[in-house]
Amino acid sequence: ETGVTQSPTHLIKTRGQQVTLRCSSQSGHNTVSWYQQALGQGPQFIFQYYREEENGRGNFPPRFSGLQFPNYSSELNVNALELDDSALYLCASSPGRSSGGELFFGEGSRLTVL
Amino acid sequence: QQQVKQSPQSLIVQKGGISIINCAYENTAFDYFPWYQQFPGKGPALLIAIRPDVSEKKEGRFTISFNKSAKQFSLHIMDSQPGDSATYFCAASIGGNYQLIWGAGTKLIIKP
Repeated sequence: ETGVTQSPTHLIKTRGQQVTLRCSSQSGHNTVSWYQQALGQGPQFIFQYYREEENGRGNFPPRFSGLQFPNYSSELNVNALELDDSALYLCASSPGRSSGGELFFGEGSRLTVL
Repeated sequence: QQQVKQSPQSLIVQKGGISIINCAYENTAFDYFPWYQQFPGKGPALLIAIRPDVSEKKEGRFTISFNKSAKQFSLHIMDSQPGDSATYFCAASIGGNYQLIWGAGTKLIIKP
């Protein structure tokens, strides 16, 4: 059983650029959540996708957007990058929207904005 | 009201000792309280979780104690081992794994 995989693992961008981060969910999981983890902080919920539809969003501006594909993989897009967007972006999959079970996290994509 | 406050920020415990990490919340609608463990360079992994209908849950060396009236919950790691050295996060949500609200984390170091 393949776990959650994310790409790229590290990337460096400059202010104003755009970035796309990718996530392959664990086999059998139809729900993907994205979290932003700043250095030394706990993760913050960005949004969740369930069966290709956004199923809730945290307190992030519209320049953070996402997609989920028919195979349940997902993308996080961030436009007009700001210095404060530098963080570890975590993708987590689960077998349902709110099953009460665990989230299975990937190892994250570390974004540095210069 | 959406915050989860976690303490201490860091903790050093001797091998074989008990590690205790505390969390407090405000939103009484929270009904799911997981603890996640994160090693450097890795994503968080679920350690143990509790719902407010029980006051304690134990899995191996890990125990969650839950005090609904005080709106507090804690993680106890018995017989702490060097392999337990990691960052621990408490979290809370309404209805399960949707939109978890996380504490700031506790960096635990177990000294051999």
